[in-house]
Amino acid sequence: QKEVEQNSGPLSVPEGAIASLNCTYSDRGSQSFFWYRQYSGKSPELIMSIYSNGDKEDGRFTAQLNKASQYVSLLIRDSQPSDSATYLCAVNKGGGADGLTFGKGTHLIIQP
Amino acid sequence: DAMVIQNPRYQVTQFGKPVTLSCSQTLNHNVMYWYQQKSSQAPKLLFHYYDKDFNNEADTPDNFQSRRPNTSFCFLDIRSPGLGDAAMYLCATSRGDIDQPQHFGDGTRLSIL
Repeated sequence: QKEVEQNSGPLSVPEGAIASLNCTYSDRGSQSFFWYRQYSGKSPELIMSIYSNGDKEDGRFTAQLNKASQYVSLLIRDSQPSDSATYLCAVNKGGGADGLTFGKGTHLIIQP
Repeated sequence: DAMVIQNPRYQVTQFGKPVTLSCSQTLNHNVMYWYQQKSSQAPKLLFHYYDKDFNNEADTPDNFQSRRPNTSFCFLDIRSPGLGDAAMYLCATSRGDIDQPQHFGDGTRLSIL
């Protein structure tokens, strides 16, 4: 079983609609969860972090965490063409200094 | 303001010729990480330093070494690069607390001739 799983896509969403990205993880003891955006040829850019069950909102982005189901999601409201990128789900399994385990990413395409 | 700086952005080396990649930070973070990302794959942790303590991942090849001479700088040394080592190498930093994210540099893209 892969440690962090994401649907690779591509996920195509019309401009202005809500994009929903999902991620599951295998280690029940995981502590912290992150969403990174990565444009082609660029490095990952932090979008959201979440540490406790529930929703966390920041502008057009909402992260949702359900530790019982081992599930993390990212919602992007009012999607823009500039949101087109690969979105990486990352999990820190142990203490804060541990490295991140990344999913392979979901390729999101926002259609104008 | 660039906070995690990687040099060079692009590096070309010959098969078997040692190469060093550089990372510096202005964040004064305790932890510095090196990741390898091959095309269309997820970033993969190679190793990290918590202050001066080195933590190697079990499956990181011996060909890869790292040095952290001070808080600000960390280096990735590839002793004898093979064609399979062509990748983007990403440096990241964090404070090391559970609720602190990792911040990435722009990466170094390594090509092997």
